Amino acid sequence: GENVEQHPSTLSVQEGDSAVIKCTYSDSASNYFPWYKQELGKRPQLIIDIRSNVGEKKDQRIAVTLNKTAKHFSLHITETQPEDSAVYFCAASPYNTDKLIFGTGTRLQVFP
Amino acid sequence: SQTIHQWPATLVQPVGSPLSLECTVEGTSNPNLYWYRQAAGRGLQLLFYSVGIGQISSEVPQNLSASRPQDRQFILSSKKLLLSDSGFYLCAWSVGSGAYNEQFFGPGTRLTVL
Repeated sequence: GENVEQHPSTLSVQEGDSAVIKCTYSDSASNYFPWYKQELGKRPQLIIDIRSNVGEKKDQRIAVTLNKTAKHFSLHITETQPEDSAVYFCAASPYNTDKLIFGTGTRLQVFP
Repeated sequence: SQTIHQWPATLVQPVGSPLSLECTVEGTSNPNLYWYRQAAGRGLQLLFYSVGIGQISSEVPQNLSASRPQDRQFILSSKKLLLSDSGFYLCAWSVGSGAYNEQFFGPGTRLTVL
């Protein structure tokens, strides 16, 4: 079955710097890759996603890139702000299924 | 609008006791339903998912079971809890079939097994 690895487990950056979180997946047939953000004490919420027929997607300060050949996708946050501090999860959806397999999460801390 | 409820919010149970966690969704029909466990350092682990009444897929062999007695109700159970069952349990829903479906999470239940 699908396996998703996520790095780093923790990431500390200065406000205004960029942050990059990387994930790899094992099932080459997976075709949907969402990213969820979980603030302290709250439930995970979708922030951005990308489909397998797209290489990059941007939404304001966040962007996701996908390399299907390498089975690798990344989340990029530019101009980080303290409110970006949270745990971020990547996920992959195996082809023709209704399920998501999540990575182990990255705790991002943005220091003012 | 759609809402998802989970209860109880917190639970402390002794080892060997039974468990029943409930999740209900309002404002949608025939949702896909999911149970996840969140433990430190292990992310969101998919335990069970269901695409319809009585249809349960188990992802991880374990001490837990799931049932879907009604369209918008999903129950997580155990006959005898283990210490390793402690964690934060999240229910989620989505609609549609195939990929590309955003999942919406409930508020979660924090379970402590002593």
